[in-house]
Amino acid sequence: DQQVKQNSPSLSVQEGRISILNCDYTNSMFDYFLWYKKYPAEGPTFLISISSIKDKNEDGRFTVFLNKSAKHLSLHIVPSQPGDSAVYFCAASARYNNNDMRFGAGTRLTVKP
Amino acid sequence: DAGVTQSPTHLIKTRGQQVTLRCSPKSGHDTVSWYQQALGQGPQFIFQYYEEEERQRGNFPDRFSGHQFPNYSSELNVNALLLGDSALYLCASNTDRGRFNEKLFFGSGTQLSVL
Repeated sequence: DQQVKQNSPSLSVQEGRISILNCDYTNSMFDYFLWYKKYPAEGPTFLISISSIKDKNEDGRFTVFLNKSAKHLSLHIVPSQPGDSAVYFCAASARYNNNDMRFGAGTRLTVKP
Repeated sequence: DAGVTQSPTHLIKTRGQQVTLRCSPKSGHDTVSWYQQALGQGPQFIFQYYEEEERQRGNFPDRFSGHQFPNYSSELNVNALLLGDSALYLCASNTDRGRFNEKLFFGSGTQLSVL
C-alpha cells in the first residue's frame, strides 16, 4: 500500500531558481514527516523534518510546508544549487507506530548550472 | 566518528540460496533498522532491532530474519532467495532516546542481485 506518494519522478531546475518537491500521504495518523536526500552510491541522509503541530519548518535554503487538510507536504529549495542534484525522499511516521517509517518513491532533482 | 557501515557492498546469489548482510551502527546508536529498496521505489521497512530483540516488523515474510549483537551491530538473513529479493538493502541506526526517533542515519547499502 502506497501511503506516501511522490508523483513526480524527476524535476529539472535552473541554478538560482526555486525547486519545489511535492509529497502526498493517505494515512491521517501520520504526525511526523521528513525529507531525505540521496546521492548515488550513498545512503539517504536526513535533510529536514516537520511535526504535524506545525505547518512550516525552515533550515537555511530548505523549507518544508505541511498542509494537513490536504495531506500534502512540499520541500522548497531556494536558491537551488548544482550540488542539490540528488534523489529526494519524503517519509512519514505515526506516533502509534513510529518505528515503521514509510517512504515515497523519490524525486530526482537536477539543478542545471 | 564512523557512520553506519554495511558489508558487503555488492553480492550476487542464485535462487534458493541464503544470504547474510551485516551492519555496524553509528557510534552511540543502539537501534538498528533494515530497509529494502527495490529499483525505482523508496525504502521499505523490514524490521527494527533494539536491545537484541526484534521490536517491530514490516510486511515481509519469515524468510527475512535478523539479529542484533551486544555491541549493537546487526545482521539481516534472507533464506530461500527469490528473484524479487534483488534490491538495495539499507541499514539505518538511531538512538532510542526521545519520542521521535525517526531521524535515521543510513549506511550506503548492500546491493543484492539474485540470479
